[in-house]
Amino acid sequence: EVHLVESGGGLVQPGRSLRLSCAASGIAFVDYAFHWVRQVPGKGLEWVSGVYGGSGGVGYADSVKGRFTMSRDNAKSSLHLQMDSLRAEDSGLYYCIGDRAGDLEYWGQGTLVTVSS
Amino acid sequence: VVMTQSPLSLPVTLGQPASISCRSGQSLVHSDGNTYLNWFQQRPGQSPRRLIYKISNRDSGVPDRFSGSGSGTDFTLKISRVEAEDVGVYYCVQGTNWPYTFGQGTKLEIK
Repeated sequence: EVHLVESGGGLVQPGRSLRLSCAASGIAFVDYAFHWVRQVPGKGLEWVSGVYGGSGGVGYADSVKGRFTMSRDNAKSSLHLQMDSLRAEDSGLYYCIGDRAGDLEYWGQGTLVTVSS
Repeated sequence: VVMTQSPLSLPVTLGQPASISCRSGQSLVHSDGNTYLNWFQQRPGQSPRRLIYKISNRDSGVPDRFSGSGSGTDFTLKISRVEAEDVGVYYCVQGTNWPYTFGQGTKLEIK
């Protein structure tokens, strides 16, 4: 059975940093792309960043480009999202998603980030 | 790629059909020939759950009253007979191009 478990969320002041992690099990990790998608409670879904399988190339939404850094550790089957210069609008539930080919197949339960003074 | 869903609110009587439209700003046909258009259901308080992938493929455990259709830029999710457990928000999302983009969501409620 596939499990994606996010961690690292919490309450942080504007301008500070937070590092999210996602531990994957039950899948051939290197064969998957992974994404972070966020959701403000009661609102829609927004793709934040993604990392390819294989080449490990990374992409970011314009709203987080230059502030967020996504990485993968194939040896540990884990992902990280380093979030710097956080803003109130970065608040939300952050989901880790495993994706073999554009199908967003596996989702974690999410980790909540709250940016507030 | 902008994804536009309609309607955004969908009141439906139990046992009646429901239909949600999703339109993309450009063709979602990938260079590999596949069209990566997916449908998700999000029940209150839960993570999104995939129902349909690549336009019309139903996920394991998804009731056969759910069906997906369409091509190119125009897609539809249909529920043949709405049940109480179908209440929630439905999203289309394209996985053909990065960044992946979601529709605004359609909130289905029982009339």
